[in-house]
Amino acid sequence: DTGVSQNPRHKITKRGQNVTFRCDPISEHNRLYWYRQTLGQGPEFLTYFQNEAQLEKSRLLSDRFSAERPKGSFSTLEIQRTEQGDSAMYLCARVPISGETQYFGPGTRLLVL
Amino acid sequence: AQSVTQPDIHITVSEGASLELRCNYSYGATPYLFWYVQSPGQGLQLLLKYFSGDTLVQGIKGFEAEFKRSQSSFNLRKPSVHWSDAAEYFCAVGAPTSGSASKIIFGSGTRLSIRP
Repeated sequence: DTGVSQNPRHKITKRGQNVTFRCDPISEHNRLYWYRQTLGQGPEFLTYFQNEAQLEKSRLLSDRFSAERPKGSFSTLEIQRTEQGDSAMYLCARVPISGETQYFGPGTRLLVL
Repeated sequence: AQSVTQPDIHITVSEGASLELRCNYSYGATPYLFWYVQSPGQGLQLLLKYFSGDTLVQGIKGFEAEFKRSQSSFNLRKPSVHWSDAAEYFCAVGAPTSGSASKIIFGSGTRLSIRP
């Protein structure tokens, strides 16, 4: 158990619909990260939060993507007007306050039809 | 820019045989280095990490890795593989962000198959 839960685990949606994913770390960790993993590739960094503040966003995060961490605990990732290219596994990771190791959740697999 | 190269896309070894997965990184300073394992449809499990100190790092499930600065390598080894080791293995390096923290840059992975 890595101390990170993600919901839903699977999501199938039609192109043009909006989807929202949630990440819940075991406790209020200092940092929380989002990554995207497409088939046959390693995960790619999307964004990260230190407490409530979103400190960096990758160029992969287009205007259709938005992430929040309103109380410095759980986080949500929303994709608006989904496209087939958004189909991927979305992974969340937590970093303990005193450390640099990222512990990953099980991911949310998105399929856009 | 930081990068990670895993030159072997797919490796097959016999059960009980030894294993070495290759990883080369590009990073200006002393890196944070990681190996993660991913079973099909699952998240990533940390096998081991190197931040500083002893260059031979022990991890879970009998894995070890050696940091060689001169070769910019961090190869993963196991003396005797088990069928349950079949999975995708990712080497990764910690890279700085605009804040004071780091993000992880992953390699493209090596898929390990085990021959009975």
